[in-house]
Amino acid sequence: QQQVKQSPQSLIVQKGGISIINCAYENTAFDYFPWYQQFPGKGPALLIAIRPDVSEKKEGRFTISFNKSAKQFSLHIMDSQPGDSATYFCAASWASGSRLTFGEGTQLTVNP
Amino acid sequence: NAGVMQNPRHLVRRRGQEARLRCSPMKGHSHVYWYRQLPEEGLKFMVYLQKENIIDESGMPKERFSAEFPKEGPSILRIQQVVRGDSAAYFCASSPGHSSGNTIYFGEGSWLTVV
Repeated sequence: QQQVKQSPQSLIVQKGGISIINCAYENTAFDYFPWYQQFPGKGPALLIAIRPDVSEKKEGRFTISFNKSAKQFSLHIMDSQPGDSATYFCAASWASGSRLTFGEGTQLTVNP
Repeated sequence: NAGVMQNPRHLVRRRGQEARLRCSPMKGHSHVYWYRQLPEEGLKFMVYLQKENIIDESGMPKERFSAEFPKEGPSILRIQQVVRGDSAAYFCASSPGHSSGNTIYFGEGSWLTVV
């Protein structure tokens, strides 16, 4: 029940295209869903996060879509750029504590 | 930018030696988390600490690994008698409080190589 499943494992997109990464969770107690971006040799950096009381949150080119009934959430990167090439992790945590459970990661490559 | 500070950034140890990884949380943060990332894998939770207390150590291996966050000074992740399988990136993160939704900030990691 602690798992967060992420797909795809890798993704190649052309510059200007839309990158879509999906995650599914099992534990209905999860109520905070962040996405992190990680470049090689660096620590994960928070991109955007959502709570289950909203179905969508947008920050610049990054949008989280959240489907509570399906227990799924996704990250959309609009107008993808080569500089977006990185590994993206979804995560989830629950109300009683803020420990994060991570998905396995998606390696995104944006071709110029 | 006084973010989460980890040291050393890179550490090489021979099998059987001890590794000590240090983490200073962001200013004003009293909650520290340690995560391990094996090559080409995701981030696995190890332990969650507050000052002088271990809150959740469900992700810590039962043997050789320990963590502390003393009243004064950084949090320490200690690995005794290291083996090659301990080679990984160890990330420390911190947050200001206990409620869900508090942003968790990560350090740049400590890369341990066991030879």
